[in-house]
Amino acid sequence: AQKITQTQPGMFVQEKEAVTLDCTYDTSDQSYGLFWYKQPSSGEMIFLIYQGSYDEQNATEGRYSLNFQKARKSANLVISASQLGDSAMYFCAMREKGQTGANNLFFGTGTRLTVIP
Amino acid sequence: SQTIHQWPATLVQPVGSPLSLECTVEGTSNPNLYWYRQAAGRGLQLLFYSVGIGQISSEVPQNLSASRPQDRQFILSSKKLLLSDSGFYLCAWRDQAWNNEQFFGPGTRLTVL
Repeated sequence: AQKITQTQPGMFVQEKEAVTLDCTYDTSDQSYGLFWYKQPSSGEMIFLIYQGSYDEQNATEGRYSLNFQKARKSANLVISASQLGDSAMYFCAMREKGQTGANNLFFGTGTRLTVIP
Repeated sequence: SQTIHQWPATLVQPVGSPLSLECTVEGTSNPNLYWYRQAAGRGLQLLFYSVGIGQISSEVPQNLSASRPQDRQFILSSKKLLLSDSGFYLCAWRDQAWNNEQFFGPGTRLTVL
């Protein structure tokens, strides 16, 4: 079964508007972490935001916020005031604490966001 | 501050040729190290990870291998490349704490002809 599901292969948003990128996850662990990464066309993976399973507040980092709904097992990324530079692939990822010592990340298949001027 | 390097940045190799991709990390010690492959337009597939020198775990059986000869050096190798080995290879590191994010290198784009 997929650990991370991103159902939106592509999304479009008007510049200066907000956009939500969906992510659902599957785990039976109580302790886990959720991550969002951005991958521009250059290929580098840029860490955006982190949410711990025990964090009561939704994580925020500048224009990025994570809409964490634990009961629904969703961790959607919200980008406010979109900019042209936000056009990229976005990956949701999860790490379960109960994994092996390396505590690897499970990645979703990604969502390609295009910001329209 | 910590930095992660990968080389080469791009590589074109014929089928059946050997491969060696190198990844080094600076500014940290005893990191967890990871090799991922990303096929065109796809997500990341974990290939190998290492929690220490000489300790390699393979996630996907294939003709690739990995080695960690030094604490901050991670090498991805193959004796004979296949066409299906083409892709974008990313190295990543993170601290031992389980909830720390992974930091990725700039990647190597490999084309096997």
